[in-house]
Amino acid sequence: AQKVTQAQTEISVVEKEDVTLDCVYETRDTTYYLFWYKQPPSGELVFLIRRNSFDEQNEISGRYSWNFQKSTSSFNFTITASQVVDSAVYFCALSEDQAGTALIFGKGTTLSVSS
Amino acid sequence: DTGVSQNPRHKITKRGQNVTFRCDPISEHNRLYWYRQTLGQGPEFLTYFQNEAQLEKSRLLSDRFSAERPKGSFSTLEIQRTEQGDSAMYLCASSPPGLTVGDTQYFGPGTRLTVL
Repeated sequence: AQKVTQAQTEISVVEKEDVTLDCVYETRDTTYYLFWYKQPPSGELVFLIRRNSFDEQNEISGRYSWNFQKSTSSFNFTITASQVVDSAVYFCALSEDQAGTALIFGKGTTLSVSS
Repeated sequence: DTGVSQNPRHKITKRGQNVTFRCDPISEHNRLYWYRQTLGQGPEFLTYFQNEAQLEKSRLLSDRFSAERPKGSFSTLEIQRTEQGDSAMYLCASSPPGLTVGDTQYFGPGTRLTVL
């Protein structure tokens, strides 16, 4: 069965701290896709990154970076020098190798960044 | 491109009433998805359309739920005889043609339903 686990329910940091959000997934497929979405208080899910199972290169986008490790079935997300605007719920999601497949979401991690 | 839009943004109804939500996907996106999100949980898949064809339905989509996408553009989700357990955020997402798997889904702001 497919499953995404985000073990950290809530994280609180002070501005400028680095923070890592953990994501562990389960799938039997050899081809699959992993995503991170941000849900600010307004409620709209904002796409951050998509990664396929054959691309294990880490990615950096500004203050955001992602570490994909197939050996541990993890796809962790790090925010460097966090800012108050980073406060949101962050979701990791998995989609398998089928057309039109649903995204399977974790329960999310609520990140609070205080000034 | 404008993003995915959903109407209404909020709906309060009494138990037993019918409600209908609308989703307008990003133009030229031929795939459209509905999800439901309850408090403290991630979104859960309800159904998927490719153009006007409804290709997948989750077991969460009970007989009281029906979704349509009559001309392959906007979609509606109707809930009949609402129950308090239907209270949730209903999210719509769309994705462009091209990739057939692992396509990135772009979400709308959601419709928050409260059933009294």
